[in-house]
Parts: sequence; structure tokens; C-alpha cells
Amino acid sequence: AQTVTQSQPEMSVQEAETVTLSCTYDTSESDYYLFWYKQPPSRQMILVIRQEAYKQQNATENRFSVNFQKAAKSFSLKISDSQLGDAAMYFCASASYNQGGKLIFGQGTELSVKP
Amino acid sequence: DTAVSQTPKYLVTQMGNDKSIKCEQNLGHDTMYWYKQDSKKFLKIMFSYNNKELIINETVPNRFSPKSPDKAHLNLHINSLELGDSAVYFCASGGYYGYTFGSGTRLTVV
Repeated sequence: AQTVTQSQPEMSVQEAETVTLSCTYDTSESDYYLFWYKQPPSRQMILVIRQEAYKQQNATENRFSVNFQKAAKSFSLKISDSQLGDAAMYFCASASYNQGGKLIFGQGTELSVKP
Repeated sequence: DTAVSQTPKYLVTQMGNDKSIKCEQNLGHDTMYWYKQDSKKFLKIMFSYNNKELIINETVPNRFSPKSPDKAHLNLHINSLELGDSAVYFCASGGYYGYTFGSGTRLTVV
């Protein structure tokens, strides 16, 4: 069975600095994607970044980048130049083709940004 | 214009009542999903439908019944609501390559 684990329930970062959120996963699938979703107080689920397991190159989206370590089954999110608007709950998730596409979520990390 | 829309956004109801949440997507996706987010913010899949066919049913009580009249709609009907059903319910569409979520329905059972 697929599992996703986020071991940091809460993180804090100073505005303009860099923070890394950790995520580990376990799967026996070969064809899968990994995602980071942001959920602000508005509760909307916003896709931050995604990584296809077949691609070795780490995905980047502006200030957001991932460190994808396939062998270690690790998928961390780095937020650079943190902004007040980055404060939210962040969820790591995985989905595989053979599992009917269902998203398996981690427990979430609550990120606060200090001005 | 909204890609995945859910109604209502908020639902407050008494125990024992029956309620429905509607979901519609205009992205042309074949697969739609219902997820439940509990009070600790943990998200878990409940159902998925592919082109009107149920493909995932994750040990959800029989009081929950999804219905998909066409591939653009996936509604969730809940019978005999219980206090423990209070949660945020998200509809989503897409596939393992990516998903679009609705804005969620906060259900409160009193």
C-alpha cells in the first residue's frame, strides 16, 4: 500500500528566508506522481508543484522547488524568499496509475511566516 | 468559468437528516473524486468515478452514496447524518498526473 509521511506538524520561517518541508513516501509502483498542495485558511487546495517519478530532474516553480530522492523515497519542498502569503497548511501527496489515480496524502505541515 | 464547482460551500444540519452535495467540472476529465478532510485536516479519498462508473469505494459507510449522472457531475448523498460526519468534503477531477479540486463543502452536523 502507498503511504505518505510528513514528520513536521508545524514549521516556522522568517519572511524572505528559505524553508524546507520534508516528506517521505512508500510505494511499490513504478509509474507515479508526487505533489505538494497548499491549503490556506480559505481551504482551497492549490497545487504548488508536481514531480513525475520517471523524471530525475527536480521540478521547480518560481520560488518553489523540490528535492526528489527516488531511491530514498524522499520528496521535500523548498520555499525560497518566503512571503507572508506562503503561510498555509502544506500537504505532500502521491498518486499512481495502477491505484486508480487516487491521491494519498500526508498528514500536513502547518507553515507560519514571521514578518 | 470555475473548473470544479461544489455546492453548497457550507451546510449545517441536524442529526438524522439526509443531505446532498453537488459537484460539476468543466475540464473534460473522465474521472472525478470525493475526498473527506477530518477535524485534524487529514485528507482521505472516499470515492472515484470514471465516466459514470464507480472505480474506488474506500470502505465508506453505506449511508454515503455517490451518484454520477454524466462524467461532468458527481454528487454525494448522505443519509441519516451523524455527528461524526462533520468534516470538509472536497470534490476533484483529473487523474494520477494531476488534479483540480473544488473549494470544499464544510458540513456541520448538530
